[in-house]
Amino acid sequence: QVQLQESGPGLVKPSGTLSLTCAVSGGSISSSNWWTWVRQPPGKGLEWIGEIYHSGSTNYNPSLKSRVTISVDKSKNQVSLKLTSVTAADTAVYYCTRPSYSSSMGYYFDSWGQGTLVTVSS
Amino acid sequence: IQMTQSPSSLSASVGDRVTITCRASQSISNYLNWYQQKPGKAPKLLISAASSLQSGVPSRFSGSGSGTDFTLTISSLQPEDFATYYCQQSHSTPYTFGQGTKLEIK
Repeated sequence: QVQLQESGPGLVKPSGTLSLTCAVSGGSISSSNWWTWVRQPPGKGLEWIGEIYHSGSTNYNPSLKSRVTISVDKSKNQVSLKLTSVTAADTAVYYCTRPSYSSSMGYYFDSWGQGTLVTVSS
Repeated sequence: IQMTQSPSSLSASVGDRVTITCRASQSISNYLNWYQQKPGKAPKLLISAASSLQSGVPSRFSGSGSGTDFTLTISSLQPEDFATYYCQQSHSTPYTFGQGTKLEIK
């Protein structure tokens, strides 16, 4: 079972850039999977941010697309998230997750990191 | 695709049968997942493809539905089931979640 571990600054200033990494262990980042970021503001629901395939193909949530970049570093076996021009509304727990796939069941998110809280505040 | 869960919160007792509903704004076939989340923890996948129970998940959990209307049923609530439940469509990106249903002890 793949293991995911998020890391990065817990505090980011307004208008700054949020940068997180997700270290993947127990599996290769180059396996046939989409690597995904999901976030959850305190006390609120889950929001799908975007995903990247090991080839570099990406899909982003239209609500965040202009500010988000997801990338992979195969040499370090990790996935990165960058979110620019952050505001207090971007304060959330950020999760790295990897869906499994089957033709009959589609994508289902059975592997999650423990999440990391990022607070946007001056 | 917008996902709407109901109710937003639910009070129930140990042993009760409870049902949570999730409705999609357009047909998503059976591409519907259910998650359980406890405070301070990552979501845990319970059911994929609307009705496929994940390995290790108790059989008191079941899911049904297709198209736009789905349900998650817990046949006999146990103390460890009090949590927040989310549905998620995986038909097309962005893979949207329902707003959640908080299941509380009565």
